[in-house]
Amino acid sequence: GQSLEQPSEVTAVEGAIVQINCTYQTSGFYGLSWYQQHDGGAPTFLSYNALDGLEETGRFSSFLSRSDSYGYLLLQELQMKDSASYFCAAPFGGQNFVFGPGTRLSVLP
Amino acid sequence: DAGVIQSPRHEVTEMGQEVTLRCKPISGHNSLFWYRQTMMRGLELLIYFNNNVPIDDSGMPEDRFSAKMPNASFSTLKIQPSEPRDSAVYFCASSLQAGNTGELFFGEGSRLTVL
Repeated sequence: GQSLEQPSEVTAVEGAIVQINCTYQTSGFYGLSWYQQHDGGAPTFLSYNALDGLEETGRFSSFLSRSDSYGYLLLQELQMKDSASYFCAAPFGGQNFVFGPGTRLSVLP
Repeated sequence: DAGVIQSPRHEVTEMGQEVTLRCKPISGHNSLFWYRQTMMRGLELLIYFNNNVPIDDSGMPEDRFSAKMPNASFSTLKIQPSEPRDSAVYFCASSLQAGNTGELFFGEGSRLTVL
């Protein structure tokens, strides 16, 4: 099948580090993307891991391990504006872009 | 670039009416995706096109839903007849080689309410 799983909610305080995990079915897997969506807004692209390892973009990093069918998004120096839903997604077969159920991150002062 | 443009942004209609949602992808993008988002079901892929050709419509819930892409700059998603359970936010997204970049560009969405 083509599905992804992630926790439904995560809570952290400002300035902290939080990790959002994602596991996926391997059939047709190409790579793992991460998206952010604020309430009432559209999903926006954060990062993509085509290869194993860590990709860093400012305060956000993303990691992929194909052998474990697992990836994560790491958010550092959390800010209130990071409160949003975060989705992992994968272009199965290179085109069939499936999204995980989303993780709602609440950043507390 | 103007980004992906969707219309209408909001639509309220009565059960049984026809609904047409419209999307203009980013110029030069060769793939277009239609998603539906609800609290219960999350972001569901309904259908996607590559070079204006429908590739996979297995996510279309039933025959009441249809999508077309007559040219590279325009797509429609039609629901006929609409039902209250179709109430959701419908997103259109476009991309260029999403399999290599992992990046979709989303429109602002069309919020549909069926009474």
